[in-house]
Amino acid sequence: DQQVKQNSPSLSVQEGRISILNCDYTNSMFDYFLWYKKYPAEGPTFLISISSIKDKNEDGRFTVFLNKSAKHLSLHIVPSQPGDSAVYFCAASVPIGGGADGLTFGKGTHLIIQP
Amino acid sequence: DAGVIQSPRHEVTEMGQEVTLRCKPISGHDYLFWYRQTMMRGLELLIYFNNNVPIDDSGMPEDRFSAKMPNASFSTLKIQPSEPRDSAVYFCASGDRAKSGANVLTFGAGSRLTVL
Repeated sequence: DQQVKQNSPSLSVQEGRISILNCDYTNSMFDYFLWYKKYPAEGPTFLISISSIKDKNEDGRFTVFLNKSAKHLSLHIVPSQPGDSAVYFCAASVPIGGGADGLTFGKGTHLIIQP
Repeated sequence: DAGVIQSPRHEVTEMGQEVTLRCKPISGHDYLFWYRQTMMRGLELLIYFNNNVPIDDSGMPEDRFSAKMPNASFSTLKIQPSEPRDSAVYFCASGDRAKSGANVLTFGAGSRLTVL
């Protein structure tokens, strides 16, 4: 079963507008949520994270919102730029000693920024 | 630091051959992970090590897959014999969970494996 779900395989947004990428999860034990960005032929790179005790974290143009009751998080990119075109992965982790020290990833959303 | 270094970047081999993928993690990181990316399954965790000790290999698909970490600066993922369904991009990642509460992993560029 997929514990982290990204239901939109792709998203097209005009340059300068807001991009909103969504992610749902099922495991209430997750304590951190992370977003990774991946360009073709490269490995995923860390973008931003949020602790499960927070509901918002902001870093420049990137903001992540967490709604624990809905088990939903979203990544907002404002304004969107051509270099933001990439695949975005949502990921989550359980606390140390929680039985798994890796990250569980969603399948990714391909964001395309149109000029 | 040069980051996580993986080799080879690309490997094309024939079914039945042995494949060895290599990884050099970031110095000082005490966790090392092997992930596989396919279109169907996305990024899936195969195995991970903590302080060079394998902790969880439940993601390894079959006995044909094995991984080792003989020291803190080197790990291998071996497939023997390889099959066409093993074709994927294999990523190595390292992290320092104690310092990074958010469990931030740094990924290598990946090894793209094609088994004919």
